[in-house]
Amino acid sequence: QVRLQESGPGLMRPSETLSLTCSVSGGSISSYYWSWIRQSPGKGLEWIGYIYFSGNTFYNPSLKSRVTISVDTSKNQFSLKMSSVTAADTAVYYCARDSTGVDEFDIWGQGTMVTVSS
Amino acid sequence: SYEVTQPVSVSVALGQTARITCGGNSIGSKNVHWYQQKPGQAPVLVIYRDVYRPSGIPERFSASNSGNTATLTISGVQAGDEADYYCQTWDSSTTRVFGGGTRLTV
Repeated sequence: QVRLQESGPGLMRPSETLSLTCSVSGGSISSYYWSWIRQSPGKGLEWIGYIYFSGNTFYNPSLKSRVTISVDTSKNQFSLKMSSVTAADTAVYYCARDSTGVDEFDIWGQGTMVTVSS
Repeated sequence: SYEVTQPVSVSVALGQTARITCGGNSIGSKNVHWYQQKPGQAPVLVIYRDVYRPSGIPERFSASNSGNTATLTISGVQAGDEADYYCQTWDSSTTRVFGGGTRLTV
């Protein structure tokens, strides 16, 4: 059974660069798309972007200028970097397996809370 | 940009049928997916590509999509179905878009 586990800092200062990693276990990262999704406290879900195992990426236009997603197939991991964070980036960040790049997210990690505060 | 609209809350009696809608311009022409999220947990896919149930999701969960409205139907609602439900689709302008979520109260 495929499992996803996010890891990264829980607390950040404004203007710093957020770095999160998603470790995939129980299956190969190859032949799939992989996405990052976030949820601000008490709010809904926002898709951040995806990466295909080959390295192709696609980002939410509203976040594109600050986001980079990368993949390390040798470690079965993919990562998110988001620059110049502000309090508005405070959220639970989820990684998820993305079926086709335009359809459903069929497997989700448990999520990791990131708080941006001075 | 493409937007989808969900009711903030839906209430249903135990054992009855709950219907949660997801409205959007010509949403019937798009694939719609539904997620269940319980407090403190990650979302779980309950319906994908309009009508399909992932393995392990009870048959009580069904859905339809036509015109400007997609609908998630939960038959014989149980106490454990109380959760937030989100619809999700794709549009060329906004890429992946989620509805604001509906709190189902049993």
